[in-house]
Amino acid sequence: GENVEQHPSTLSVQEGDSAVIKCTYSDSASNYFPWYKQELGKGPQLIIDIRSNVGEKKDQRIAVTLNKTAKHFSLHITETQPEDSAVYFCAADNNNDMRFGAGTRLTVKP
Amino acid sequence: ETGVTQSPTHLIKTRGQQVTLRCSSQSGHNTVSWYQQALGQGPQFIFQYYREEENGRGNFPPRFSGLQFPNYSSELNVNALELDDSALYLCASSVLAGGGETQYFGPGTRLLVL
Repeated sequence: GENVEQHPSTLSVQEGDSAVIKCTYSDSASNYFPWYKQELGKGPQLIIDIRSNVGEKKDQRIAVTLNKTAKHFSLHITETQPEDSAVYFCAADNNNDMRFGAGTRLTVKP
Repeated sequence: ETGVTQSPTHLIKTRGQQVTLRCSSQSGHNTVSWYQQALGQGPQFIFQYYREEENGRGNFPPRFSGLQFPNYSSELNVNALELDDSALYLCASSVLAGGGETQYFGPGTRLLVL
């Protein structure tokens, strides 16, 4: 089955800096790659997603890149703000079987 | 807010007991997936229901079972609770369209098994 690895497990940046989180997946049949943000005491919230026929997608300060050949995808957050502090999860979906990474705890210091 | 609600928010049970968790899907969504999230881990897929039938299952034993009702609300039932079942249980609703559907999560039910 699918195996998703996520790095780093913790990330601390200064406000205004960029943050990058990377994930790799094992199943080449996976075709949908969402990213979720989870704040304390809440469920995961979708922040951006990308499908296998696209290499890059951007939404304001957030961007995701996908390299299908290498089976890895990354989340990029620019101009980070303290409210970006949360746990971020990547996921890979193959026909409604979604597997998540272990998460990255991002801390943005004011 | 995703429009997905779950109840109860918190629950304490003892080993061997049974528990039922409930989920109300976002309006118009015909598919619900359930996940178990242990502390410090990513969500793990338990199963998915589409039009009241199980439509996929992760690596969980049969004592984890579910139901989906005609109004697309859903239940997760866990029998013979074990200490390791302590976790946050999340449901997510979507519209089935052949794979890669965006899933919207509820806030979760935190279960503690003593």
